Amino acid sequence: DGGITQSPKYLFRKEGQNVTLSCEQNLNHDAMYWYRQDPGQGLRLIYYSQIVNDFQKGDIAEGYSVSREKKESFPLTVTSAQKNPTAFYLCASMRTGYNQPQHFGDGTRLSIL
Amino acid sequence: GQQLNQSPQSMFIQEGEDVSMNCTSSSIFNTWLWYKQDPGEGPVLLIALYKAGELTSNGRLTAQFGITRKDSFLNISASIPSDVGIYFCAGPQRNYGGATNKLIFGTGTLLAVQP
Repeated sequence: DGGITQSPKYLFRKEGQNVTLSCEQNLNHDAMYWYRQDPGQGLRLIYYSQIVNDFQKGDIAEGYSVSREKKESFPLTVTSAQKNPTAFYLCASMRTGYNQPQHFGDGTRLSIL
Repeated sequence: GQQLNQSPQSMFIQEGEDVSMNCTSSSIFNTWLWYKQDPGEGPVLLIALYKAGELTSNGRLTAQFGITRKDSFLNISASIPSDVGIYFCAGPQRNYGGATNKLIFGTGTLLAVQP
């Protein structure tokens, strides 16, 4: 089945540690996105990529980094510079074109130890 | 900047009741998307609307693209316990070049259904 796979489902980070969240899609979508969701809040865009080897900062990129070496993969690294990383992280992908919907993975919940 | 205002913020209803929620903006949208997020899961697309005045159904769900292109409505008929979740509206962010590949999301409506 085609879809978006995020792993792991749950992740714990120690102080000063970088952690990487995985996002893989087999939908052949060009564009991929990372969002952060805090309890009771909407979705805030961290980074997005419209094509391989290119990505742009979203609204809350500080403390995060991404790469897009393959069309299928868009990993997100939460660095030690992100002082409040506890949140639910969602990856999405989209077929580029006029007014296309985004499709989401099942999320990764990151907590601080 | 563009914003989407969703209301109500939360709803607590009895099983079998009908539900109505809406999304409004001061800006025009060419597409309205409605998503549902189950607890601990990612949002799932329910309905996509592409034309002003369009009325689209998906089972017990019906959504409408407002004629002014500044609002959209989602109705759920005969609610059941599995309708519990957060419902988000979304639309393409626009810049001077037109619609972008980024979405703006509403703040969500939390629906709780009492069996």
